[in-house]
Amino acid sequence: EAGVVQSPRYKIIEKKQPVAFWCNPISGHNTLYWYRQNLGQGPELLIRYENEEAVDDSQLPKDRFSAERLKGVDSTLKIQPAELGDSAVYLCASSPESAGVSDTQYFGPGTRLTVL
Amino acid sequence: QQQVKQSPQSLIVQKGGISIINCAYENTAFDYFPWYQQFPGKGPALLIAIRPDVSEKKEGRFTISFNKSAKQFSLHIMDSQPGDSATYFCAARARNAGNNRKLIWGLGTSLAVNP
Repeated sequence: EAGVVQSPRYKIIEKKQPVAFWCNPISGHNTLYWYRQNLGQGPELLIRYENEEAVDDSQLPKDRFSAERLKGVDSTLKIQPAELGDSAVYLCASSPESAGVSDTQYFGPGTRLTVL
Repeated sequence: QQQVKQSPQSLIVQKGGISIINCAYENTAFDYFPWYQQFPGKGPALLIAIRPDVSEKKEGRFTISFNKSAKQFSLHIMDSQPGDSATYFCAARARNAGNNRKLIWGLGTSLAVNP
């Protein structure tokens, strides 16, 4: 079974430029998460989708961040414009259950963003 | 405010030794406590998880001990191996109104197992 796929793996941009990250979750997983992980810290949830619906985006900085999950499968996270403080690893995860008792999240390898 | 406090920040253990990582929480509504393992350049991967209705869960060399009254849980790695060198995160799930599940993560422990 293929895991969570993310691209690109690395991205270097100058501040004020836009950037987009793409995620393909594990087939059949209807819950998708975007996290940001700063160096030496745990993942910080940005947004969670149940199918096409964003059910928790309370931590998403909506002035510059946007996300979409068309057709309830792939997802894109965008930053526009990027700031120096956005440098981090952006992780995508998926989970097979939307309302079950298990909460196992399967993570992709992440995209390491460097803003210069 | 850090809702899940993890310690130590880093840990060095000799091969064959026992690695112990501790976590403490405040929210009594937490109902699921996983441990994730992360290698450099990889995303976290679920290692083992426990629910508050049991005090211990063991999977191979990995054991979670859970103390509900003290609101603490810990990961024990028996016979630690160099391949266990990674960052370990504890987490807790908060189930609030509307079934809005969210994992609250600790800051992580960097484990190095010397050969």
